[in-house]
Order: sequence, then C-alpha cells, then structure tokens
Amino acid sequence: AQKITQTQPGMFVQEKEAVTLDCTYDTSDPSYGLFWYKQPSSGEMIFLIYQGSYDQQNATEGRYSLNFQKARKSANLVISASQLGDSAMYFCAMREGSYNFNKFYFGSGTKLNVKP
Amino acid sequence: NAGVTQTPKFRVLKTGQSMTLLCAQDMNHEYMYWYRQDPGMGLRLIHYSVGEGTTAKGEVPDGYNVSRLKKQNFLLGLESAAPSQTSVYFCASSLRQGSGTEAFFGQGTRLTVV
Repeated sequence: AQKITQTQPGMFVQEKEAVTLDCTYDTSDPSYGLFWYKQPSSGEMIFLIYQGSYDQQNATEGRYSLNFQKARKSANLVISASQLGDSAMYFCAMREGSYNFNKFYFGSGTKLNVKP
Repeated sequence: NAGVTQTPKFRVLKTGQSMTLLCAQDMNHEYMYWYRQDPGMGLRLIHYSVGEGTTAKGEVPDGYNVSRLKKQNFLLGLESAAPSQTSVYFCASSLRQGSGTEAFFGQGTRLTVV
C-alpha cells in the first residue's frame, strides 16, 4: 500500500488566490511527522512545513498552512495569496517515529502552476 | 553552511560502466538516505544508513550498493549501469531522534545512462 498519496498530478491557480494541495497518508504508527517540500525547476528540495501527529493545532509557516485531519489521514497544504514564484513541484512526505528506522516516504508530487 | 553536498552534479555513463556518487554532510546527522526521482513517481528510497558502518535497503535497491565508512559521507555505487538507472539522484540526511525533524537534501545528481 502507498504510504503517501497525492492525487493531483498538476494544478493551476490564479496569482493571489489560495490553493490546496491534497495529501493522504497511511500508517499504523501512532508517532509520525508530516512534511511538505517544494521543488522549483532548479531542482533543489526546499522544506516548507511540518506537522506532528500529536500536534493539536494545524501548522502554519507564513503563507503556508497544513490542514491536518488525523481521522481522515489527510495533510493538505494550503498556500494563501499565490505568487508566481510558487510555481513548482510539491511533495508530501511522512516520517514514522517508532518503526522503520525513521525513513521518509514521499508522494508522487503535484505540479503547481501559478498564472498571472 | 554547506549542508548536504553531492558530487558530481551531472554524469553520462555508458551501459555497463560503473560509478560512485558521493554525498557529504556537515551537520553531524546520524541518518543518511539515497533517493531516486523519476517523473510521476516521486522520490523512491534506494538505500539508507542509520549510522557509521551500517546500511540498509530501501524500496528500490537492486543495481546499487552503498557504504558509510565515515559519519559524514554516504556513497552510492552503480556497479554496471543500465539505462533504467537514468534518473535524478538525491542524497538526504536527518537527525536521528523522533519523527519531527526534516530531511535536508543535496542539490541532486542528474545521471544519464546511454
């Protein structure tokens, strides 16, 4: 079974609008972390935001927020006020805390295009 | 801060040739990983290491070997390159404790096997 599922291969959003990138995960480990990374066309992997499985509140980092719905096992990334520089691939990842030597599992990614 | 450095950045190999990709991190991280990135498939774990002298297989280990003789270095070897190994390779490292620390990535190595 896939550990991380991103069902949107590509998305478009108008500049200055908000956009939600979907991510669902699968784990039986009670302790885990969820991460979002951005990969611009230059190729580097940029860490954006982290949510812990025991965190009560949704994580926020500037224009990024993580909509964490534990019962549904979803960890959607919300980007507010999109900018042209947000055009990139976005990867959701999970790290299990108790098992599997803390490996990171990645989804297949969502390519976001911000239109002017 | 150098962070995670991969060498080389680009490489073209002929089928059957061998090569080694070097990853070096200066953050004293215990864990290191090698991933490959292919279109539509995200990042897939090849091998990883939880400490000096230890390595383990990930999701797609066939055709690759690794070594971690020093804590700061993690080498990925291709003994006999195949066109199916054409990919972008990323090294990453992370702290050991818990699930709350992110992975830090190198800039990637674009490998083409012809």
